[in-house]
Amino acid sequence: DTAVSQTPKYLVTQMGNDKSIKCEQNLGHDTMYWYKQDSKKFLKIMFSYNNKELIINETVPNRFSPKSPDKAHLNLHINSLELGDSAVYFCASSLGIGAFNEQFFGPGTRLTVL
Amino acid sequence: GQQVMQIPQYQHVQEGEDFTTYCNSSTTLSNIQWYKQRPGGHPVFLIQLVKSGEVKKQKRLTFQFGEAKKNSSLHITATQTTDVGTYFCAGRTNTGFQKLVFGTGTRLLVSP
Repeated sequence: DTAVSQTPKYLVTQMGNDKSIKCEQNLGHDTMYWYKQDSKKFLKIMFSYNNKELIINETVPNRFSPKSPDKAHLNLHINSLELGDSAVYFCASSLGIGAFNEQFFGPGTRLTVL
Repeated sequence: GQQVMQIPQYQHVQEGEDFTTYCNSSTTLSNIQWYKQRPGGHPVFLIQLVKSGEVKKQKRLTFQFGEAKKNSSLHITATQTTDVGTYFCAGRTNTGFQKLVFGTGTRLLVSP
């Protein structure tokens, strides 16, 4: 059974389009995250939710909007896609708030904006 | 903002050689976690260090947390081709904000 799953795995789209990525975890964790990994492999946190409540919101363009319908799901919607949005987006989860908790990552969504 | 740098960025070794990656933070860290990301894969948690000067071992891997809690290292003895991947350290600053800051990563390539 996959612990943290993401869909889609690959996403190729044109500039200006709107797209969504979905994430689900079956670990019973309270906290979920979105990370962006660029072409240089740098991993940067974008958002974090704890029990459906937004707790971390890094300096991310407001074209990016996360939504957590319940604590097992965290989706990411991106409006008006730009070339610079091309990256791998990882969802992750942890037992709870706190950077002492191990994070479990999903397989990633490779977004390519043409 | 806080930065966590890793050196080297990239290392290519022959199977059987040792490998070390160093992680340096501009500020004191509450903890250090290490993750491994295989090519095309996702980061996978390896270990966490919390105490100043702490050393932990996992088979051929040795992890250290510096006395000042601003640096850490991962040493692999006698590398194998299965060690290929990018190794990330990640830590939390003492600002009270509950997020992990990931290091810049070290990519390891092992030739048979």
